Amino acid sequence: GAGVSQTPSNKVTEKGKYVELRCDPISGHTALYWYRQSLGQGPEFLIYFQGTGAADDSGLPNDRFFAVRPEGSVSTLKIQRTERGDSAVYLCASSPGLAGTTDTQYFGPGTRLTVL
Amino acid sequence: GEDVEQSLFLSVREGDSSVINCTYTDSSSTYLYWYKQEPGAGLQLLTYIFSNMDMKQDQRLTVLLNKKDKHLSLRIADTQTGDSAIYFCAENPGGYNKLIFGAGTRLAVHP
Repeated sequence: GAGVSQTPSNKVTEKGKYVELRCDPISGHTALYWYRQSLGQGPEFLIYFQGTGAADDSGLPNDRFFAVRPEGSVSTLKIQRTERGDSAVYLCASSPGLAGTTDTQYFGPGTRLTVL
Repeated sequence: GEDVEQSLFLSVREGDSSVINCTYTDSSSTYLYWYKQEPGAGLQLLTYIFSNMDMKQDQRLTVLLNKKDKHLSLRIADTQTGDSAIYFCAENPGGYNKLIFGAGTRLAVHP
């Protein structure tokens, strides 16, 4: 595709529910990233995939958060037992995954998650 | 630790230059980045600088890097109303792929 796309653009859920957020990276990009942006803050790193595997998941806040990328393209961020503090904009980015270069990350428009 | 700091707000007159400042903590970062975020939109990469450079110019944008002081700045020449946005500074600690962002500087351009 022309850019990174994310669905849904908005998601409202109730405390305790399960949600899935989807990211479609730029075609051919092997690296994919999830970030979370709370109101008035910069994006905060969650997890990074190289291909199908999670190369760095050090930013996941707890075990309620999980992400997959089974075929090395689309990724899903899954949040169990949502809490009000999970409300934020979830950003996805992808990059070519080229070693030895800046490997620029291109961001999607984000999914705004609101937990009531 | 990893921490990127920016001033929160900058107001300039249209046509003037804007200078947005950033300090970072990780000297092992290989690249430093400036992203722009407009209301309701995703992050747009504006420019980046390799850590062994002092300056990079790209049309109206000039990036200055003082590695000794871990200070990065973005200068926008001839600032226009379309430049109104939030500007984020980011580093990649250890040269790894994850980016650490500052809280962003809101640039307001007035006539």
